Amino acid sequence: KQEVTQIPAALSVPEGENLVLNCSFTDSAIYNLQWFRQDPGKGLTSLLLIQSSQREQTSGRLNASLDKSSGRSTLYIAASQPGDSATYLCAVRPDSSYKLIFGSGTRLLVRP
Amino acid sequence: SAVISQKPSRDICQRGTSLTIQCQVDSQVTMMFWYRQQPGQSLTLIATANQGSEATYESGFVIDKFPISRPNLTFSTLTVSNMSPEDSSIYLCSATISYEQYFGPGTRLTVT
Repeated sequence: KQEVTQIPAALSVPEGENLVLNCSFTDSAIYNLQWFRQDPGKGLTSLLLIQSSQREQTSGRLNASLDKSSGRSTLYIAASQPGDSATYLCAVRPDSSYKLIFGSGTRLLVRP
Repeated sequence: SAVISQKPSRDICQRGTSLTIQCQVDSQVTMMFWYRQQPGQSLTLIATANQGSEATYESGFVIDKFPISRPNLTFSTLTVSNMSPEDSSIYLCSATISYEQYFGPGTRLTVT
């Protein structure tokens, strides 16, 4: 059974710092992996989608990597800003399913 | 990409009543999904809704409690029936387009 874990559960950094959020999954048979951002009480915004054949994706200050064989993905945020404060969720789509399996998220606070 | 809207955005309901949540996608999609997010938790899939067929419910969720309609390829509704305080959650609608999953802004439900 696929399980997704995110570490750390919470992170507080000063503005301007570069940071890395981690996501691990137990079964490497995935179709893709998606990173989302969720603001308090709101829906999810898709940040990056990595297909299983890809190693990384970039969008602005965000870079996501995928190492399928080791069951790991990282989300790198460069030059963090207070507006980046949110919960970041990682989700994998198994090869055999159309359903996303979510991690429990990392709650990020960027202090001015 | 896709834009997904939900109505209502929030509601406060009395125990024993029912609430129907509407979800509209700005393009035609085969699968739509309904998730629940309890306070401080990650997302849990309630059911998958395909147009023209009965919804497929996940373990722990039943049709009598969460009836779903899917009358066409852009619209779905989720009803939360006979509500109790334990149903207080954010309910999120989602759809997959080109292997990427998109979410609506959520409906915040409080049951008193």
